Amino acid sequence: EAQVTQNPRYLITVTGKKLTVTCSQNMNHEYMSWYRQDPGLGLRQIYYSMNVEVTDKGDVPEGYKVSRKEKRNFPLILESPSPNQTSLYFCASKRGGATYEQYFGPGTRLTVT
Amino acid sequence: AQTVTQSQPEMSVQEAETVTLSCTYDTSENNYYLFWYKQPPSRQMILVIRQEAYKQQNATENRFSVNFQKAAKSFSLKISDSQLGDTAMYFCAFMKMRGGSEKLVFGKGTKLTVNP
Repeated sequence: EAQVTQNPRYLITVTGKKLTVTCSQNMNHEYMSWYRQDPGLGLRQIYYSMNVEVTDKGDVPEGYKVSRKEKRNFPLILESPSPNQTSLYFCASKRGGATYEQYFGPGTRLTVT
Repeated sequence: AQTVTQSQPEMSVQEAETVTLSCTYDTSENNYYLFWYKQPPSRQMILVIRQEAYKQQNATENRFSVNFQKAAKSFSLKISDSQLGDTAMYFCAFMKMRGGSEKLVFGKGTKLTVNP
């Protein structure tokens, strides 16, 4: 089954404790992206990757890191989480080229206390 | 920069009736894509319908159709014969056709409730 998976689905952590949210897709997609969703703000792009070893900032990259060492994986790293990073995070992937649909993962609910 | 505006934070409709969700956007691009995504309580993002700006014909998917007015930069979603399962957040989104990031720019969403 074609899918985007994220782990963990739920995470409660404390300020300053490094964490990684994993994202994996099995569709051989070139493009992957991270979004965060906050009430009243919709979804906003954090980082994206056009292919292996190619990443770039989205609209709200502060406090986040990413890497793309393999085509299927695109982890989101919070080196020192803060309460304002409490949010719902979505990973998405698509084939390269604007005509293709983005497939979203199930979301990760992160709470930073 | 592109912006997407959904002016209706919440709407409700009776089962079997028709409802229209509004979306306007701002861009200087001529070629782009527009989308409506549905987010039910499960939080999954589900693509409902998409429209290519270069196509004059409005997209339809079963009970879902759009009214795309390019000059007015308007992209409304009509849901016919509303069903209880249509209860969800609906997001309008924009993506330009060129220039690399292929990101979706989302509106803030409209919470739709279908009442029995």
